[in-house]
Amino acid sequence: GIQVEQSPPDLILQEGANSTLRCNFSDSVNNLQWFHQNPWGQLINLFYIPSGTKQNGRLSATTVATERYSLLYISSSQTTDSGVYFCAVDPYYGNNRLAFGKGNQVVVIP
Amino acid sequence: DGGITQSPKYLFRKEGQNVTLSCEQNLNHDAMYWYRQDPGQGLRLIYYSQIVNDFQKGDIAEGYSVSREKKESFPLTVTSAQKNPTAFYLCASSLRDQPQHFGDGTRLSIL
Repeated sequence: GIQVEQSPPDLILQEGANSTLRCNFSDSVNNLQWFHQNPWGQLINLFYIPSGTKQNGRLSATTVATERYSLLYISSSQTTDSGVYFCAVDPYYGNNRLAFGKGNQVVVIP
Repeated sequence: DGGITQSPKYLFRKEGQNVTLSCEQNLNHDAMYWYRQDPGQGLRLIYYSQIVNDFQKGDIAEGYSVSREKKESFPLTVTSAQKNPTAFYLCASSLRDQPQHFGDGTRLSIL
């Protein structure tokens, strides 16, 4: 099946810093989603972004489908940004079945 | 409010027991999904259903069963055949070819 690799696996940020998380995938995809999992386990939709660039407040995402990667940018990080960020892809043959990466563990310190 | 409700939040199972996790949605979504998450890992697909009375196995279906008798409901049974059931279970739903939305999850532990 499709492989999804996220980097870096762990990241510690000073509050106010910017960061970039990367998601590489091994095959063509119909769609790609970014999620934030908070310390209570809730999985929050951030972006639905099969291609192009989207922005939502301090977060933005870019997917380059032809090169099989997506980037999530966090600007002016806050302690509430802490948690695990997941990239999930629906392969072109997948019927909207998501394959998840292992996540980026982000800790923002004051 | 529209959303996905999973219950219970915490569940304990004795050896040899079957347990059923509930997932209900009032978003009028056609498709529903069950995922399993182990510590430090991403989610893995157990079962999914795109319409009522039909469902397909995901990547790790062994030891689990599901039913889809109503559009709103997609319960998951963890059977005694699942040898390592301790995990965090998440249910999701979506419209066709649209983003998946998740419930708050059920944590299952073995006594």
